[in-house]
Amino acid sequence: DTAVSQTPKYLVTQMGNDKSIKCEQNLGHDTMYWYKQDSKKFLKIMFSYNNKELIINETVPNRFSPKSPDKAHLNLHINSLELGDSAVYFCASRPRASGFVGELFFGEGSRLTVL
Amino acid sequence: AQTVTQSQPEMSVQEAETVTLSCTYDTSESNYYLFWYKQPPSRQMILVIRQEAYKQQNATENRFSVNFQKAAKSFSLKISDSQLGDTAMYFCAFIQGGSEKLVFGKGTKLTVNP
Repeated sequence: DTAVSQTPKYLVTQMGNDKSIKCEQNLGHDTMYWYKQDSKKFLKIMFSYNNKELIINETVPNRFSPKSPDKAHLNLHINSLELGDSAVYFCASRPRASGFVGELFFGEGSRLTVL
Repeated sequence: AQTVTQSQPEMSVQEAETVTLSCTYDTSESNYYLFWYKQPPSRQMILVIRQEAYKQQNATENRFSVNFQKAAKSFSLKISDSQLGDTAMYFCAFIQGGSEKLVFGKGTKLTVNP
């Protein structure tokens, strides 16, 4: 059973298109995240949701819109894709208990290539 | 703002030997946590080890241990008896207590040679 699953795993699209990446976790966690890993492997947080409520929005262009329909899902929609959006996007989650702060469970990543 | 620095972009080690990966961080906070995450070629990030800043004892997890030097703001990872499966990118990470923002270093690419 996959704990944090992302779809699609690979996505190739043209500039200007709109695309979505879906994430689901079956761990019962309350907090979910989107991280972006660029071509140099640098990982940076984009968004964090706690039980469907946005708690971190890290200076991401408003072309990126996360949506959390319930606490098990956190989707990422990207409008008007640009070349610089090419990256691997990771979804992650963690248990609510404070003892697990920073202990993230990551999905396998979704590699987005914008041509 | 907190920063995490990994000064070794790449390292290699022979199988069965020991290797140490370096990490330094910058913070003015006293309540924080430090982590090492591993990203193998399969791409999925996996937590290796965690250290609470208030604990003086260095964390260990089987072949993985850390050397936490709080005054020097240093947090190195030692891998003993290296195995081929340890080949991966290793990321040092920091989080302030009460925050949800995990800050990563730029990573060290470790190759274990047979």
